[in-house]
Amino acid sequence: GENVEQHPSTLSVQEGDSAVIKCTYSDSASNYFPWYKQELGKGPQLIIDIRSNVGEKKDQRIAVTLNKTAKHFSLHITETQPEDSAVYFCAATGGAVLSFGAGTTVTVRA
Amino acid sequence: DTAVSQTPKYLVTQMGNDKSIKCEQNLGHDTMYWYKQDSKKFLKIMFSYNNKELIINETVPNRFSPKSPDKAHLNLHINSLELGDSAVYFCASSQGSAVNTEAFFGQGTRLTVV
Repeated sequence: GENVEQHPSTLSVQEGDSAVIKCTYSDSASNYFPWYKQELGKGPQLIIDIRSNVGEKKDQRIAVTLNKTAKHFSLHITETQPEDSAVYFCAATGGAVLSFGAGTTVTVRA
Repeated sequence: DTAVSQTPKYLVTQMGNDKSIKCEQNLGHDTMYWYKQDSKKFLKIMFSYNNKELIINETVPNRFSPKSPDKAHLNLHINSLELGDSAVYFCASSQGSAVNTEAFFGQGTRLTVV
């Protein structure tokens, strides 16, 4: 099955700085790569996704890049704000199952 | 106007008991899921149902039995609860049967087995 690795496990940034989270996957057939944000006491919520026919996608302060050759994808958050503090999960499709990374706890310092 | 709602939010019970968690979605989605999130926040799929039919069972013990009375509901019944079952259980739903669509998650049920 698909194996998704996510780094770092924790990330502390100063408000206004950028945050980058990186993931690698094992199944070259994977074609869908979503990112979920989980706030304390809530369920994960999709913030952005990218498909294998696209190399980069941007939505306001959030961007995701995909390198299919190297089998890695990254989440970039610019101009971080306190409300960006949360746990972020990358995921990849592996057959009929969406496999998640282990999560990155992001803390934005005021 | 909650999209995916699950009850209860918290559940504390003794080892050996049987308990159920209920889930309902009002999004008109065809597919519903149960995920388990352990103490290290690792999210792993347990079951997936499409139009009331089981399509994924990820090597979950037989003590876990999902039931889907209709497309909008997917309940999870757990028999003979064990300490290792303590986790947060999330229900989710998505449109269609393909896994490459957005999944909408409920707020989770924190199960503590003592």
